[in-house]
Amino acid sequence: DAKTTQPTSMDCAEGRAANLPCNHSTISGNEYVYWYRQIHSQGPQYIIHGLKNNETNEMASLIITEDRKSSTLILPHATLRDTAVYYCIVRGTNAGKSTFGDGTTLTVKP
Amino acid sequence: DTAVSQTPKYLVTQMGNDKSIKCEQNLGHDTMYWYKQDSKKFLKIMFSYNNKELIINETVPNRFSPKSPDKAHLNLHINSLELGDSAVYFCASSTYSGSGNIQYFGAGTRLSVL
Repeated sequence: DAKTTQPTSMDCAEGRAANLPCNHSTISGNEYVYWYRQIHSQGPQYIIHGLKNNETNEMASLIITEDRKSSTLILPHATLRDTAVYYCIVRGTNAGKSTFGDGTTLTVKP
Repeated sequence: DTAVSQTPKYLVTQMGNDKSIKCEQNLGHDTMYWYKQDSKKFLKIMFSYNNKELIINETVPNRFSPKSPDKAHLNLHINSLELGDSAVYFCASSTYSGSGNIQYFGAGTRLSVL
């Protein structure tokens, strides 16, 4: 599975959009980009995933660059409950070893 | 109904004891996992089972023995517990849908070895 690089931490004002970047320059053609989050030691929660097209669901949007070497998770209107560690993971069709890395600690402030 | 459930939620025990953690998923998934999250919050895969067959074993001491009686269950038995085994253990399950492989996690089992 490809390695990912994320900033260690980010802050966001409540009600504003939170844009979390992820670099995955060694991604291969059959690998998907997945985003999960972990709120205060709860189990990781799936947010969204994509292969090459941008994706949107009720939780977030995922923007993948054309060369697929980086992506951005967008939480359109961050709330205090979105404070969590966000993990960007790249892997193929099998969940495989699913290395979670260090993630980005997002703190949403009032 | 909880999709992936683990029991117990908390486990406090003495060094040298043997303990088990149970995991059940009601999602109909064919793959299940155990992860360990230590005090530094790094989430590391331990084992993965697909259709009751072991497919990943990540250099885990052989004191840890997973058991999958059927596709819906993956239990973790730990022998001769050590202080370093203290961590949060997460169970997860997934299946490939043709558009990716989404994992669903349990709430975790917080193991403290005294």
